[in-house]
Amino acid sequence: GAVVSQHPSRVICKSGTSVKIECRSLDFQATTMFWYRQFPKQSLMLMATSNEGSKATYEQGVEKDKFLINHASLTLSTLTVTSAHPEDSSFYICSARDIRDSGNTIYFGEGSWLTVV
Amino acid sequence: AQRVTQPEKLLSVFKGAPVELKCNYSYSGSPELFWYVQYSRQRLQLLLRHISRESIKGFTADLNKGETSFHLKKPFAQEEDSAMYYCALRAGNMLTFGGGTRLMVKP
Repeated sequence: GAVVSQHPSRVICKSGTSVKIECRSLDFQATTMFWYRQFPKQSLMLMATSNEGSKATYEQGVEKDKFLINHASLTLSTLTVTSAHPEDSSFYICSARDIRDSGNTIYFGEGSWLTVV
Repeated sequence: AQRVTQPEKLLSVFKGAPVELKCNYSYSGSPELFWYVQYSRQRLQLLLRHISRESIKGFTADLNKGETSFHLKKPFAQEEDSAMYYCALRAGNMLTFGGGTRLMVKP
């Protein structure tokens, strides 16, 4: 089946620095990718929808200047957490939809653990 | 706005017992519902979708529009079924997840 890869799987950064997380669709093209955040023992919360070649659509309450999303190609979306703070520590998950799939199957990455110290 | 509710955070059953993971939704349009599963240390993956009306790994789920429910069922639980299960509703481009239910199948 289709694979979505995230990198890095774990990252530790200092407070005030920026960190980038990549989401790649490995064997399919995705015009749309989604970024989620998951706190411990909680569900996935959609942060933004990333659209190839255009601006991302952010959910209410998500700061677009803090969580920069770039979807530069049909196989890559990046999430940059700018000026990270400890409260940004979380599990970030991306997903992507195969443009060829009329059933709209969404494939998930393995997630990225961010720890801000 | 759509909402998905999974009332049980944890469900513990013995091997061979029937399992039902509850999911209720609220959505004004025609819903498209899914169950996702996340095994320990693995990524989230699609288990089944209501439009397929399929049985995957012995699990089935029926959409009940009258009760706005999409409960996940399996007649005989196996230890390897232990995982986190998320019910999700798709509205347009957006996938809304329930809070998740952790299923523990004891030997």
